[in-house]
Amino acid sequence: LAKTTQPISMDSYEGQEVNITCSHNNIATNDYITWYQQFPSQGPRFIIQGYKTKVTNEVASLFIPADRKSSTLSLPRVSLSDTAVYYCLVGPFSGYSTLTFGKGTMLLVSP
Amino acid sequence: DADVTQTPRNRITKTGKRIMLECSQTKGHDRMYWYRQDPGLGLQLIYYSFDVKDINKGEISDGYSVSRQAQAKFSLSLESAIPNQTALYFCATSDPDKSHDYGYTFGSGTRLTVV
Repeated sequence: LAKTTQPISMDSYEGQEVNITCSHNNIATNDYITWYQQFPSQGPRFIIQGYKTKVTNEVASLFIPADRKSSTLSLPRVSLSDTAVYYCLVGPFSGYSTLTFGKGTMLLVSP
Repeated sequence: DADVTQTPRNRITKTGKRIMLECSQTKGHDRMYWYRQDPGLGLQLIYYSFDVKDINKGEISDGYSVSRQAQAKFSLSLESAIPNQTALYFCATSDPDKSHDYGYTFGSGTRLTVV
């Protein structure tokens, strides 16, 4: 599985856009990029998944450049409730493999 | 009702005791997982099962065992609990063929303390 690198922590204020970048230099051709969100004492929650270019849903956007060696999770107009740990994961779409969670990025949103 | 239910939510046990953590799911997913999370760290995979007859060890299986009683049930046992198994335990399910994505659904976790 491709190794990922993301910032340990980030700070933001309510109403700002937050971009969290993840590096995955050895991503494989059949790998997808998936982001999860975890609140304290809760299980991670799937946010978004993409393969290339841009993916958007009601929660976030995911930007993936052509070389796919990095990706950026964009959270528009964050609120206090977006304070959480965000994990970037890279792995095959439907193969018989498991997800590996790193330490993630702790996002703290302040008033 | 939650899609993935873990019981108990909290448990304190003594060193050397056998304890079972249970997980049940209503999503109809074939794949189930047990993860462990220590404070400030990511999740580590303990065991996983891709169907009822399939059991696989994860990164940190020593000291743990599992049982897949049915598609919907996956139990994790600590045969002889030790203090460094104090952690938050999560069960998860997935099924790319049914859900068309690689998303896992996690339970709310079991906080286990071994004293």
